[in-house]
Amino acid sequence: QLMLSQSPSASASLGASVKLTCTLSSGHSSYAIAWHQQQPEKGPRYLMKLNSDGSHIKGDGIPDRFSGSSSGAERYLTISSLQSEDEADYYCQTWDSVIQLFGGGTKLTVL
Amino acid sequence: QVQVVQSGAEVKQPGASVKVSCKASGYTFTAYAIHWVRQAPGQGLEWMGRITGDNGDTKYSQNFQGRVTITMDTSATTASMELSSLRSEDTAVYYCARDLIGQGYFDLWGRGTLVTVSS
Repeated sequence: QLMLSQSPSASASLGASVKLTCTLSSGHSSYAIAWHQQQPEKGPRYLMKLNSDGSHIKGDGIPDRFSGSSSGAERYLTISSLQSEDEADYYCQTWDSVIQLFGGGTKLTVL
Repeated sequence: QVQVVQSGAEVKQPGASVKVSCKASGYTFTAYAIHWVRQAPGQGLEWMGRITGDNGDTKYSQNFQGRVTITMDTSATTASMELSSLRSEDTAVYYCARDLIGQGYFDLWGRGTLVTVSS
């Protein structure tokens, strides 16, 4: 069954880097995902589509500080030079011909 | 400007229905699907269903099958989502989002519509 797993929380200091992980369920390691950011009291915002080979397509206006990479069934979002406005929930999304799925989200705290 | 603009907040009684609209502008409506996603207070994102802008084909999450209907008016470049038999657990922010047909992922989101179900 297609599923996505994310750690509920992460934290890192202002100016540092953080790597968030989204894990695809067994047998689905070839699937692409998308990363979305949801700042407090706002709607989600598309960050990037991330393929299994690590190639990605970023949304308009997404800073270079946001990058994606892949390894096996894991999909990563790396945010460098953390800023206060990066404090948000981060969701991964995947899909097949029938359904769309979201991970449970990771709440990122910028210390 | 490429955007999807949603209708305003709603308050409904249990058992009623609610219809939320999503007006697209700045892009070719028929090249994209519109999806509906909801977020209960303090919870994550839950996909409800989608409609394709080219032929109006719909798909729904099994969690909402029978209670949700997604429609569109191509001339008005607007998609709508109607949820029936409302209960308190349906209190949530409802988002529309687009995806290029065949692409799969959402590259543009609406700002959300709060639906409150309360007697």
